[in-house]
Amino acid sequence: NAGVTQTPKFQVLKTGQSMTLQCAQDMNHNSMYWYRQDPGMGLRLIYYSASEGTTDKGEVPNGYNVSRLNKREFSLRLESAAPSQTSVYFCASSREQGLAGELFFGEGSRLTVL
Amino acid sequence: KNQVEQSPQSLIILEGKNCTLQCNYTVSPFSNLRWYKQDTGRGPVSLTIMTFSENTKSNGRYTATLDADTKQSSLHITASQLSDSASYICVVGGQAGTALIFGKGTTLSVSS
Repeated sequence: NAGVTQTPKFQVLKTGQSMTLQCAQDMNHNSMYWYRQDPGMGLRLIYYSASEGTTDKGEVPNGYNVSRLNKREFSLRLESAAPSQTSVYFCASSREQGLAGELFFGEGSRLTVL
Repeated sequence: KNQVEQSPQSLIILEGKNCTLQCNYTVSPFSNLRWYKQDTGRGPVSLTIMTFSENTKSNGRYTATLDADTKQSSLHITASQLSDSASYICVVGGQAGTALIFGKGTTLSVSS
């Protein structure tokens, strides 16, 4: 099994451009999450989806939108990228609904905004 | 403020040696504490998850301990291997419905 798959792995954007990070899991998990990881900081939750059809804001949602396309897929969209959004983005999934379950992470998507 | 502090920030040890990483937290109420291993350029992978009632949990050469009274946890690595070189992240779950709180991690380098 692939687990959690993220695309693209690397992306360079110019300020103001838009893009979508894709995430898919094949473990039939209920919850999916988007985190960002910045140097010198712990991972921070951007958005999550506790079940198919629902999405909720995390700690740092500004500048992002998400879509839970179906049970497998959860995308993260940057409508107008800013240099402050340069980061490594991780998608994760959990069998349990909500925020308390064991997390399984993807390999990360490294985004640079110039 | 709910926080998770890890020490040391980085550590270098010789292959075959043991080491202990520390995690202190101020999260209240406390639900669970997790340790993750993150290899360079990869996503975090779960090592252990402990609830309030658990004092110790092992996963191979990794042993985590938890003292919920003092709000401290440690991760002990026995007979280190080169493949143990990674960042180790302590994560605390608090009140139901709130996001997990991640520490900044301890970077471990194992040299031959």
